[in-house]
Amino acid sequence: ILNVEQSPQSLHVQEGDSTNFTCSFPSSNFYALHWYRWETAKSPEALFVMTLNGDEKKKGRISATLNTKEGYSYLYIKGSQPEDSATYLCASNFGNEKLTFGTGTRLTIIP
Amino acid sequence: EPEVTQTPSHQVTQMGQEVILRCVPISNHLYFYWYRQILGQKVEFLVSFYNNEISEKSEIFDDQFSVERPDGSNFTLKIRSTKLEDSAMYFCASSEGPTVYGYTFGSGTRLTVV
Repeated sequence: ILNVEQSPQSLHVQEGDSTNFTCSFPSSNFYALHWYRWETAKSPEALFVMTLNGDEKKKGRISATLNTKEGYSYLYIKGSQPEDSATYLCASNFGNEKLTFGTGTRLTIIP
Repeated sequence: EPEVTQTPSHQVTQMGQEVILRCVPISNHLYFYWYRQILGQKVEFLVSFYNNEISEKSEIFDDQFSVERPDGSNFTLKIRSTKLEDSAMYFCASSEGPTVYGYTFGSGTRLTVV
């Protein structure tokens, strides 16, 4: 069974602080790792898709890294703002078209 | 920015009834998907669709489920005889290509089977 795990499940961060959370996945048959940002009552929004070991991607204050050999990805948010409050989902492809999702990390920014 | 549109946003149906969930993917996307999330659980894959046929489906996607792209723009998910355990948020998504392309998700249809 190919399982994608995320930690922590939830996180409260003071506005202005930086934070990070983890996605772990089986490294065998790995093909791609996706990060999505999902605000309540909206659709999940694609942040990054990464495929290569050592990949680093950045979008504004949000960045992500990928380690395919040990099977993990980190998502970093620098200088958290209230609008960063959302659930962050990671998902992985394992050589087919299906995305296997983690449970998500629910981030709440405290003003 | 182009978006994936899903209707209805919420549907309540009686057990045993048929439901059709509708989606309008982004027009130049070639790959289409249905996912669902049962409350408190992970988002799970149902089916992928490419070139007018199912390219992959999960074990959830049994004979009660079907998908169709009837007119080149809409993409529908039909559940023939709904069960209580089909209650979930159903998401449609589309992408330009497989696997390494990010998906664009719709905002979902919350299906409640009573």
